[in-house]
Amino acid sequence: DGGITQSPKYLFRKEGQNVTLSCEQNLNHDAMYWYRQDPGQGLRLIYYSQIVNDFQKGDIAEGYSVSREKKESFPLTVTSAQKNPTAFYLCASSGVTGYQPQHFGDGTRLSIL
Amino acid sequence: AQSVSQHNHHVILSEAASLELGCNYSYGGTVNLFWYVQYPGQHLQLLLKYFSGDPLVKGIKGFEAEFIKSKFSFNLRKPSVQWSDTAEYFCAAGAGSYQLTFGKGTKLSVIP
Repeated sequence: DGGITQSPKYLFRKEGQNVTLSCEQNLNHDAMYWYRQDPGQGLRLIYYSQIVNDFQKGDIAEGYSVSREKKESFPLTVTSAQKNPTAFYLCASSGVTGYQPQHFGDGTRLSIL
Repeated sequence: AQSVSQHNHHVILSEAASLELGCNYSYGGTVNLFWYVQYPGQHLQLLLKYFSGDPLVKGIKGFEAEFIKSKFSFNLRKPSVQWSDTAEYFCAAGAGSYQLTFGKGTKLSVIP
């Protein structure tokens, strides 16, 4: 089945460490997105990419970095500069022609030890 | 700045009751509107979407939503809820698929 795979499901980080969240899709979508979900806050866009080797900052990009070297993959690094990284992170993808909704992965829950 | 407001943080209903969840958006130009649902322990799923045409859109599982341009609203409705509808519901707006703006979500609890 086509879909979006996020790994790991749960991730723990020590203070001062960078950590990378994986997102892979086999839907042949050009666009990919990273969101952060906090209770009562909805989803907030961190970064998005419309095409390989290109990406744009979303509303809350500070303390995060991404890369898009392959169409299928859009990893997110949470750096030590992110002051409040404990959250649920969602990856999504969509086509870019016409009007296409975003499809979401199951998410990664990041916690600070 | 674009924004999406969902009026209710938590709604509690008995089975068979009717549901209406409010969503208002602030968005210049042509807007595309979506409702997503997140069942406990599952990923976000698309319930329905509006791009153009008939302002009354029907989605999966008996849900529908009405786009009222003059009120900047896109309320979600279901005539009779079931216990299995217990979930969190998110309204989203955007131009195309990029940079969707999500509301803060409404938790729906349905009591058997």
